[in-house]
This record gives sequence, structure tokens and C-alpha cells, in this order.
Amino acid sequence: GQNIDQPTEMTATEGAIVQINCTYQTSGFNGLFWYQQHAGEAPTFLSYNVLDGLEEKGRFSSFLSRSKGYSYLLLKELQMKDSASYLCAVKKGNYGQNFVFGPGTRLSVLP
Amino acid sequence: EAQVTQNPRYLITVTGKKLTVTCSQNMNHEYMSWYRQDPGLGLRQIYYSMNVEVTDKGDVPEGYKVSRKEKRNFPLILESPSPNQTSLYFCASSSGWEQYFGPGTRLTVT
Repeated sequence: GQNIDQPTEMTATEGAIVQINCTYQTSGFNGLFWYQQHAGEAPTFLSYNVLDGLEEKGRFSSFLSRSKGYSYLLLKELQMKDSASYLCAVKKGNYGQNFVFGPGTRLSVLP
Repeated sequence: EAQVTQNPRYLITVTGKKLTVTCSQNMNHEYMSWYRQDPGLGLRQIYYSMNVEVTDKGDVPEGYKVSRKEKRNFPLILESPSPNQTSLYFCASSSGWEQYFGPGTRLTVT
């Protein structure tokens, strides 16, 4: 089977730091991806991890532990425009393009 | 401008009436996918394509067909739509790790 879990909703304050967790159990693993989706819009790519460790990209960082089936997305210096849903996804195969997405975490940034 | 386009953006139809949702990308990407998004379930992959004439099932392929006759186009076909296929559909394309999503097609089947 396959399962990806994320918190349903989170709230944080402008300027703060927030960590969105993702745990996964999938049949196959070839990368963990994070996407941002504003209400009524298409998802947009944020980051990916293939190996264990932290990947930093401006205000956004993503961490992966393959042995624990765990990832998190860290957002620093939160801005109002960061209010969106954050989707965690696992790429399952080495040669295919088979992706499994989590249910998403809706983040609200308050002034 | 690099983009993925879908048509139509909104569609209301009746049970059993065949329909096609088109998807086109202008980035010369090898990989294309179709997803549906439902509240509480997230994005679920329907079909994906590795290149022209190469397609494979995602996690929810039942009731859908696809074809990839040209690199830029990847239409989604519902031969006999049913109400449980009411959803928001996204097409995506990729040349590697990053997927680019189209604007979405909101389909209602009554």
C-alpha cells in the first residue's frame, strides 16, 4: 500500500518560522517533492529531495530522512503571500513518472 | 511563454456523454501526467506518459483513457462519464524533477 500523511491545517504569524511535516509509506521511492498551491490555482514546484539531508532554497528549506519515511518543509520569514496549501509528493519509480501526493496542508499566515 | 494549457477550463455534462479534455505544452517535455484533485484526497495521478506512444496507469485510471500521438499533446478521454468523476483535473508536464501544471479543468457530471 501507500500512504502519505500531512497535518490538515496550520496557522502561523507573519515573520515567524513554520515547519510542515510529511510522513510517507510507499511501494517504491525515488524522491520527495514539495509543491505550493494557492486557492483556485495550479500547484507550483518548490523543492525536492532525493538523498537524506537538508536542501535550502531562499526562505524555503526541505529535509528528508529516507530511513524514517519523513520529510519537512521549513518556511522562514513568513509573508502573507505564503498562505496556501503545501503538497508533499513521492515519486515512486526509477524510470516512470508515477507520483503519489499527500492530502496537503493548508497554511494560514496571520498579521 | 512556457506553459501548459488545458481546454475546456469548465465543463458541465451528463452521465454517459463522451468527452475529451485537451492538454498541450510548449516546452518540449518528454513526460506528461493527468491528475484529479478532490477535497480531502489531494492530487491523485490518473495516467502518465514517458514519451510519444508510451503511457502507463497511475493510481486511479479506471474510467479514463489517454493517448500521446504527439509530444506536445496529451488528451484525457472519458468514454462514459459518471458523477463520481466530478472533480478538478490537472495536466502536468516535466523534463525531469519539476512538474509544470496546467490551470485545471473543473468537470461536473450530472
